This record gives sequence, C-alpha cells and structure tokens, in this order.
Amino acid sequence: EAGVAQSPRYKIIEKRQSVAFWCNPISGHATLYWYQQILGQGPKLLIQFQNNGVVDDSQLPKDRFSAERLKGVDSTLKIQPAKLEDSAVYLCASSLVGVPTQETQYFGPGTRLLVL
Amino acid sequence: AQSVTQPDIHITVSEGASLELRCNYSYGATPYLFWYVQSPGQGLQLLLKYFSGDTLVQGIKGFEAEFKRSQSSFNLRKPSVHWSDAAEYFCAVGPLSGNMLTFGGGTRLMVKP
Repeated sequence: EAGVAQSPRYKIIEKRQSVAFWCNPISGHATLYWYQQILGQGPKLLIQFQNNGVVDDSQLPKDRFSAERLKGVDSTLKIQPAKLEDSAVYLCASSLVGVPTQETQYFGPGTRLLVL
Repeated sequence: AQSVTQPDIHITVSEGASLELRCNYSYGATPYLFWYVQSPGQGLQLLLKYFSGDTLVQGIKGFEAEFKRSQSSFNLRKPSVHWSDAAEYFCAVGPLSGNMLTFGGGTRLMVKP
C-alpha cells in the first residue's frame, strides 16, 4: 500500500514570495490533515478536510495561508506572501474516517520550507 | 485547554540500555494519549496509543507506555535500545470528542554504540 505522498521535499524562497505544497493521501482515506512543524516543536494542526469539506481550520493563518481539496483526494497548501516565521516542515497526514483520537493518522515525509 | 510537556529535549543512552521518555499532560478528563516516532527525513509513525482499559499499553518495535492518572503521565519505555531507535519521539493528547491532537515538543534520542 502506497503511503502519503508529498512534494516538493524541500523549498527555499525569499520572504514575500508565494509557495505551494502538494499532498496525495492514502487511497480511500476520507480525511486529510496539514500540520506545521517548526524546528524544535511538535506538529501543529493547520487544517483538516473531510472529503472536500473543511472540518477544522481554526489554527490556519487565513490572511496568508490557504488550502484546498477540490475533488476530495489530493490537496494543496499555499502560502502567499511568505514570512520568515513560516520556515518549518509542513506535514500532510491522512486517516480513514476522520476521528483522530480514535484512529491512526498516517503521515507523509513532509516538505521542508526555508524562507530567507 | 489541553497541553503536553516532554521535559527532556535530548536523551542519550547506550545501545542495549533501558529507556524511559517522559510525557506529562494537562487535560480536564481522561484523554486519549499517543506516542509517535519521527526518524530523520521521515514522517511521524504511530508507536502506540491509549484510549481506555489496561493502563500498560504495548506498541510496535518493542515499546510500551504506562498511563498514570494520578501523575498525569504517559511515559514511554523500552527495555533494550537498538541503534535504529535513534529518532525524535513525540507524545500527543486528544480529547474524547473533537478533532484536535496536541503534540509535545519532542524528545530527541541518541544511541551510543
């Protein structure tokens, strides 16, 4: 079974530029999560999708971050414009149904973003 | 609000020695508790989870964790560490309902030969 795929693996941009990350979850998984992991910290949930609808985006900085999952499968996370403090690893995860406290989330390898 | 504290940022143990990683949580009721491992360049992998029942939970790769309600702790243990266990370990807590998992800051484990 293929795991969660993410691309690119690494990205370096200058502040005020735009960047986009892509995630393809495990086949059949209805729920997709985007996390931000700043160096030295644990992952922080940015947004959770159930199929193509948003379940929770309370911690997503909506003035600069956006995410979509138009067909309920793969997803794109965008930052526009980027700030220095956005330097982090962006992790995508998926799960079968969408109750993270009761089922396993499967994580992708992440995209490491450096904003200069 | 729920929170998780992992007091040890770095731990170094010798190969073959026992290991205990500490995790303390703050939550108003019995939480759901998780331990994840993150190897360099890899995503997080679930080691074990506690929902209810037996307070000693067995996980993959020979790890176990014990839920102690009186101490608000969920420490991870392994009787004999292997060099391949070198990684970063994250404790996480979730509520009985809702969707938010809260992760601790992580403990980086180094294994000496």
